[in-house]
Amino acid sequence: AQTVTQSQPEMSVQEAETVTLSCTYDTSENNYYLFWYKQPPSRQMILVIRQEAYKQQNATENRFSVNFQKAAKSFSLKISDSQLGDTAMYFCAFTAVSFKTIFGAGTRLFVKA
Amino acid sequence: DAGITQSPRHKVTETGTPVTLRCHQTENHRYMYWYRQDPGHGLRLIHYSYGVKDTDKGEVSDGYSVSRSKTEDFLLTLESATSSQTSVYFCAISGRNNEQFFGPGTRLTVL
Repeated sequence: AQTVTQSQPEMSVQEAETVTLSCTYDTSENNYYLFWYKQPPSRQMILVIRQEAYKQQNATENRFSVNFQKAAKSFSLKISDSQLGDTAMYFCAFTAVSFKTIFGAGTRLFVKA
Repeated sequence: DAGITQSPRHKVTETGTPVTLRCHQTENHRYMYWYRQDPGHGLRLIHYSYGVKDTDKGEVSDGYSVSRSKTEDFLLTLESATSSQTSVYFCAISGRNNEQFFGPGTRLTVL
């Protein structure tokens, strides 16, 4: 069975600093996709970043980047220059060819002014 | 915005009553999903659909049924609601790059 583990229930960071959220997963699949989603207090789920397992290059989206370690089954999210609007719940997710997505339990991030 | 709406947005009901939640999409996507979100569990898949009248179970399907008679609509039914089904329910579609696009969610309270 595939699993996604986020070991940090809560984190905080000072505005303008950098923070890294951890995610590990377990799968026997070779082709899959990894995602980070953000859920602000509005409750809307928003895609932050996406990584294909066959790509060695780490994905980046503006201030958001990932460190994808396929052998270690690790997929961490780095947020640079943190902003107050980054305060949210962050979910790591895994999708294989079955089109079913498995989510981690989430990390609640607080950005402090 | 992937054109996904959910109705109702909030509902309070009593134990034992049937409840139907509706998800509507305007993007003609083939894959649609129902999740529930509970503290400490993230999002868990209830059921999903891969086409009209084609559905399958997720990891927490007990007590739920679904139907998809049109591409744009995916219904989730709680035949006899229980307090353990109090949750926030999200509908989602699968995009071209396997990402999920979510509706705004439905908060259901079963008293």
